[in-house]
Amino acid sequence: GQQVMQIPQYQHVQEGEDFTTYCNSSTTLSNIQWYKQRPGGHPVFLIQLVKSGEVKKQKRLTFQFGEAKKNSSLHITATQTTDVGTYFCAGWGGSTLGRLYFGRGTQLTVWP
Amino acid sequence: DGGITQSPKYLFRKEGQNVTLSCEQNLNHDAMYWYRQDPGQGLRLIYYSQIVNDFQKGDIAEGYSVSREKKESFPLTVTSAQKNPTAFYLCASSIVGNTEAFFGQGTRLTVV
Repeated sequence: GQQVMQIPQYQHVQEGEDFTTYCNSSTTLSNIQWYKQRPGGHPVFLIQLVKSGEVKKQKRLTFQFGEAKKNSSLHITATQTTDVGTYFCAGWGGSTLGRLYFGRGTQLTVWP
Repeated sequence: DGGITQSPKYLFRKEGQNVTLSCEQNLNHDAMYWYRQDPGQGLRLIYYSQIVNDFQKGDIAEGYSVSREKKESFPLTVTSAQKNPTAFYLCASSIVGNTEAFFGQGTRLTVV
């Protein structure tokens, strides 16, 4: 069945370093979404990418959607302690309509 | 305020007892979802519903049951058949397909 795989599972960085998490789907996605979950909190929507090859930026965060619409990445430039949390990718589509497939998430720790 | 509400935030139950987790939304969303999250784990889909009086099993439905009698409500029952019920449970809702999901604050269930 449909799977959304995300790597790495954990990432520890020094404040100021960059961070990237990667997401891959076994099938073509109609779109890709990214969520952030702060420790003890719930996932909060960050952004949605729809077009093949799309790139979007939110301040220090850069999101990309692959040309084949099967992979995506989130890059954070110059991490800050406020970036701590788990970042999830999620995609609609595949064999079961109406279902949102989540990756396992990348847990980011930022050392001051 | 529009949103999705889960209650209670913390729940304790004795082993062998069924327990029902509440999820209510006033966003007029057709789709609702239940996810389970274990420490260091991603979001695993338990059940989802795209329309009133209809729902589908997710990846880990065994030991759980749901109902969707009203558009606003999607309660989850954790039955005594669920072998390891202690976890963080998240409810979400969305317009069906291709849109962001809104999450509740979550219910942390501890079974002793």
